[in-house]
Amino acid sequence: DGGITQSPKYLFRKEGQNVTLSCEQNLNHDAMYWYRQDPGQGLRLIYYSQIVNDFQKGDIAEGYSVSREKKESFPLTVTSAQKNPTAFYLCASSPYTLDVRSSYTFGSGTRLTVV
Amino acid sequence: AQSVTQPDIHITVSEGASLELRCNYSYGATPYLFWYVQSPGQGLQLLLKYFSGDTLVQGIKGFEAEFKRSQSSFNLRKPSVHWSDAAEYFCAVEANAGKSTFGDGTTLTVKP
Repeated sequence: DGGITQSPKYLFRKEGQNVTLSCEQNLNHDAMYWYRQDPGQGLRLIYYSQIVNDFQKGDIAEGYSVSREKKESFPLTVTSAQKNPTAFYLCASSPYTLDVRSSYTFGSGTRLTVV
Repeated sequence: AQSVTQPDIHITVSEGASLELRCNYSYGATPYLFWYVQSPGQGLQLLLKYFSGDTLVQGIKGFEAEFKRSQSSFNLRKPSVHWSDAAEYFCAVEANAGKSTFGDGTTLTVKP
């Protein structure tokens, strides 16, 4: 079955470390997104990509980086510059084009905790 | 910039009772609107969407929503709630470049 796989499900980071969250999809979707979820704050967009080798900053990109070397993969790195990284991270994809709108398919999330 | 407001942070209903979750959006043109549901520790699942046409849209699990342009609203309804409907519900609007803006969510508790 097609879907989005996020790994790991739980991740612990020490102060000053960079960590990378994995997101892989086999839906043949062009667009992929990373959102951060904090209690009571809904979802906030970190980065998005609509095509391989191209990505754009979202509303809260500071302290994060991404790459899109393959259509299927959109990893997110939480750098040491992100001062408050403890959150639930959600990856999503959609077959978005300028002519076709669609909803998102979400992964099951990665919970990152700073220790 | 577009925005979404879900006025109710938490709603409690009895099993079998009707449900309405409110959503108001701010956007200058015709929006693309969505309702998603999230169980604890999980990703979001699409319940229904409105792109154009009939303003009353049907979704999965017996949910429906009505788009009212004059009120900038897209409220979610269900005639009879089941205990399994307890979850967090998010309204979202896609206004440009495929990026969706989400509301802060409404947590639904179902009493036996």
